Amino acid sequence: EPEVTQTPSHQVTQMGQEVILRCVPISNHLYFYWYRQILGQKVEFLVSFYNNEISEKSEIFDDQFSVERPDGSNFTLKIRSTKLEDSAMYFCASSLGTDIEKLFFGSGTQLSVL
Amino acid sequence: QKEVEQNSGPLSVPEGAIASLNCTYSDRGSQSFFWYRQYSGKSPELIMSIYSNGDKEDGRFTAQLNKASQYVSLLIRDSQPSDSATYLCAVTAVEGQNFVFGPGTRLSVLP
Repeated sequence: EPEVTQTPSHQVTQMGQEVILRCVPISNHLYFYWYRQILGQKVEFLVSFYNNEISEKSEIFDDQFSVERPDGSNFTLKIRSTKLEDSAMYFCASSLGTDIEKLFFGSGTQLSVL
Repeated sequence: QKEVEQNSGPLSVPEGAIASLNCTYSDRGSQSFFWYRQYSGKSPELIMSIYSNGDKEDGRFTAQLNKASQYVSLLIRDSQPSDSATYLCAVTAVEGQNFVFGPGTRLSVLP
């Protein structure tokens, strides 16, 4: 069964450092997303991406965040200067279509900022 | 601000009983509704989707939608200890493409 793949599964970084979280969405999907979940809290939308550009972003997705689809398969989330409060599980997700389609999540990257 | 609300739980039911999970949403124009299951430390996993008023059954799971009351529920029949997890209600926004998640209800099925 096709799945969304995320690497690394765990990332530890020092505050102020840049991190790149990587995702390989399901191959025929067209919409890509990043969500995050701070421990014990709800899953929060960060950004959606379609046709090689951001289609929607939340208030959380400020200037320190960026996304990129550098080739035909990878989808990355970059955090330029990490803060302690960026520590969370980051989930990549993809869907075939828009709002009536189901969302498939990757297994997540646990980011710890020290 | 689009909100999705759920009782945080924990909801404890004995094995074999029916577990009833509830969700309300604030955006009256929302069209699509989903239930995800999330085991501790794992990613959400889709269980059910429902788009129109009424009931939708899939095995031991039944989703119920009432758009007039802005209410979605999930019933789990013959609950098993393996059903113990956090259940997330998710709603698609009318404008845009993001999914709004509720905080989740933690279900504990006691053997």
